[in-house]
Amino acid sequence: DSGVTQTPKHLITATGQRVTLRCSPRSGDLSVYWYQQSLDQGLQFLIQYYNGEERAKGNILERFSAQQFPDLHSELNLSSLELGDSALYFCASSETLTSHEQFFGPGTRLTVL
Amino acid sequence: DQQVKQNSPSLSVQEGRISILNCDYTNSMFDYFLWYKKYPAEGPTFLISISSIKDKNEDGRFTVFLNKSAKHLSLHIVPSQPGDSAVYFCAAKETSGSRLTFGEGTQLTVNP
Repeated sequence: DSGVTQTPKHLITATGQRVTLRCSPRSGDLSVYWYQQSLDQGLQFLIQYYNGEERAKGNILERFSAQQFPDLHSELNLSSLELGDSALYFCASSETLTSHEQFFGPGTRLTVL
Repeated sequence: DQQVKQNSPSLSVQEGRISILNCDYTNSMFDYFLWYKKYPAEGPTFLISISSIKDKNEDGRFTVFLNKSAKHLSLHIVPSQPGDSAVYFCAAKETSGSRLTFGEGTQLTVNP
């Protein structure tokens, strides 16, 4: 158990809908990262928040947004969902802005029908 | 543009033998490398890492080797155990950066 929690574990929805994925980092970690793993692909970095502020952005679609709240939990919002958005979404956390090791949650499996 | 590549999608070895997983990278700005292990229905678990100032790092049965001139790293598992069966991801980052760039993963199967 990494100490990072993610909810929900599974999510099934329809095209065009909007969903919110939630992540609670390890106790004491200030940095939260979101990654997407599509079928047969490695993990792709989406976005990083540190202590409530966006600090780095990867190839995140404009339909996707995230935020980190004062209690340090983070939410990833996916809107106007398409079939290709079906993937595993992982949250990771680390202690500082540039910590080397990141600790991953169990992921949320999103299925868009 | 795949900056981190794991060219072997799968590897099968006998219990007790050595497992060698390989990873190549193209971005010369990468200076820290990590290996993660992933079981089905779980998130990736950090296994071992190496800084670019070293060429070897060892932790129990796991050793990572880094060849900077070849932009190549490998993970050795000795002896391999059935519980090591998982997908192994190689990841890289720049010291000044925060994001991890992952390879596609290698499915390791250790047969009893």
